[in-house]
Parts: sequence; structure tokens; C-alpha cells
Amino acid sequence: QKEVEQNSGPLSVPEGAIASLNCTYSDRGSQSFFWYRQYSGKSPELIMSIYSNGDKEDGRFTAQLNKASQYVSLLIRDSQPSDSATYLCAVNRITGGGNKLTFGTGTQLKVEL
Amino acid sequence: GAVVSQHPSWVICKSGTSVKIECRSLDFQATTMFWYRQFPKQSLMLMATSNEGSKATYEQGVEKDKFLINHASLTLSTLTVTSAHPEDSSFYICSARNTGGGAFNEQFFGPGTRLTVL
Repeated sequence: QKEVEQNSGPLSVPEGAIASLNCTYSDRGSQSFFWYRQYSGKSPELIMSIYSNGDKEDGRFTAQLNKASQYVSLLIRDSQPSDSATYLCAVNRITGGGNKLTFGTGTQLKVEL
Repeated sequence: GAVVSQHPSWVICKSGTSVKIECRSLDFQATTMFWYRQFPKQSLMLMATSNEGSKATYEQGVEKDKFLINHASLTLSTLTVTSAHPEDSSFYICSARNTGGGAFNEQFFGPGTRLTVL
């Protein structure tokens, strides 16, 4: 089982719709969770972080965390073509080597006109 | 805030040469920086954790003598790819964690360095 799993997509949604991106993780000791957006050829950009169970909203983005189910999701409301990118789920774990981020393989989102 | 720079943004070199990549946190201090590598259509793979004033911690399978890391100050870490070969061609990305940051331990990424070894 991969440590962080995401559906690779592509996930296609029409402009203005809600895009729902999902991520599961295997380590119950994971403490904080992140969503990064990565455009092709560019480095990841942090868009959301979440620490506690429940929802966290920031503009058009909502992160949802369910530690019991080991599940974290990202909702993008009113999707725009500029949201088309790969979204990486990352999980922070404390290991013998310190705090580390483990990334999923990413979900490619395409917002269509 | 939380800006991380990398230099160079791209480099082309001949096989057997060494390449140094710099990572700087511009508006915060970073005790810990991270070096990742990303091959096309793959996710980020952590290579090593760079700690200011101490030796880097390398991930399993990463050769510490090939990928030399120096973290000489709270705002600068360098990665040197020694005796580079074509299979080292990749997108190298650093990230930095704000020493004075909060509970989330967010990492902020530099823009990346694309290395092509001929």
C-alpha cells in the first residue's frame, strides 16, 4: 500500500463546477496535511493546509480531513480554466529523521470551457 | 512572505562534470531545507533533508557522495551533483521550512532547477 494515494486522473470538470480531489494515507500517526498545486514544468505551490478533523475553507478552496478514515480531500468551487493543474496531496509525518512530507502522485485536473 | 529562490533555473552540462544548485529562503530563516527530485510525470521524491550546521540526512537509495549537500547558513543550502551522468537529468526542487513557523510545518518550494546532462 502506498503511503499517500491519489487517483491520477485526469479529472475533467466544466468551468464553474465543483472539482473534488481525494487522497488517502496509510500512517495513522500523520499530523498535518497539505494540498499543493503544480503547473506543468513548475514547482509545487502550497494552496491549503489542514491539521484538525473537519473542513477548512479559504476562498474557493475547502480542505476536508477525516483522520478516522485516513482521508483528506480538496474541493474547488467555481472551477476556472486557470485551476487546470496537477494537485499533489502531501502528508507530514514525524520519523526518526525528523518531520518529512510524503507526496502522492498527484491528480491532474482539467477545467473545460 | 515565505519566498524561496533557486539558482540556476536550468543548466545543461557534459557528462562527468559537477553542478551546484543553490536554494535560498529570502524572507525567513530556515533551519531545515529539503531537496527533491522529480522525473517527468512522476511525483516528488525526497532526496535529503538539509540541516543548518549539521550533516544532511539522505533518503534510502540516495548516494550521499554523489549528491553533496551543504547548509552553511539559515538562508542557504546547496546541492552539488558530482560527476553528473545523463540519468541524473531531472527537475531538482528545494523547499524550506520556516524556523519560526506554526504547527503545520509547511514547506515552501523554490522554483526548481532543470538539469540536463548530455
